[in-house]
Amino acid sequence: GAVVSQHPSRVICKSGTSVKIECRSLDFQATTMFWYRQFPKKSLMLMATSNEGSKATYEQGVEKDKFLINHASLTLSTLTVTSAHPEDSSFYICSAAQDLVSDTQYFGPGTRLTVL
Amino acid sequence: QKEVEQNSGPLSVPEGAIASLNCTYSDRVSQSFFWYRQYSGKSPELIMSIYSNGDKEDGRFTAQLNKASQYVSLLIRDSQPSDSATYLCAAFKAAGNKLTFGGGTRVLVKP
Repeated sequence: GAVVSQHPSRVICKSGTSVKIECRSLDFQATTMFWYRQFPKKSLMLMATSNEGSKATYEQGVEKDKFLINHASLTLSTLTVTSAHPEDSSFYICSAAQDLVSDTQYFGPGTRLTVL
Repeated sequence: QKEVEQNSGPLSVPEGAIASLNCTYSDRVSQSFFWYRQYSGKSPELIMSIYSNGDKEDGRFTAQLNKASQYVSLLIRDSQPSDSATYLCAAFKAAGNKLTFGGGTRVLVKP
């Protein structure tokens, strides 16, 4: 149980385009979803936390107009990287939790974004 | 000072030996602690969680927590080449509902 999927697993796009990444909880309802970014040989950095039906809470330094997060249902959250640039190339990982406040997060397999 | 700190390694251990990984955290309100394993190009997978002082064993893994010293460790017994990965320590605070990760320790188990 507690499986989280992400789609796509890998995406290459041109600079200036927008990319949408989906995160789904397959066998449980995710009240809270988290989006992380990881640069090569670096640790995971939390970008934002989203609760179903409400606006995401962004971490300091993360541009909310650039990284649009939608948590429209209890099983789906999306991250849209708008007007992507090469410096946005990274490994994006989502995680999901069943409760509003929970230390148990189930991680998706990640999405490798390369912006040319 | 980073909230969660780890030695980046690499920690090189011979097959069959014990790998010992350390992690310190700065915020005393952190309530629970986690060790994740991450293979290159993959997302983290949970190995252990620990909530109270002392040791917690699960198979070949033992987590140790010392809240007074703000210190968490992970021992991997009988290390196998398949244990070669980066190990991430994470601390959770309910205020903020946030897991904060350390930089990770790369472990290399040599046959």
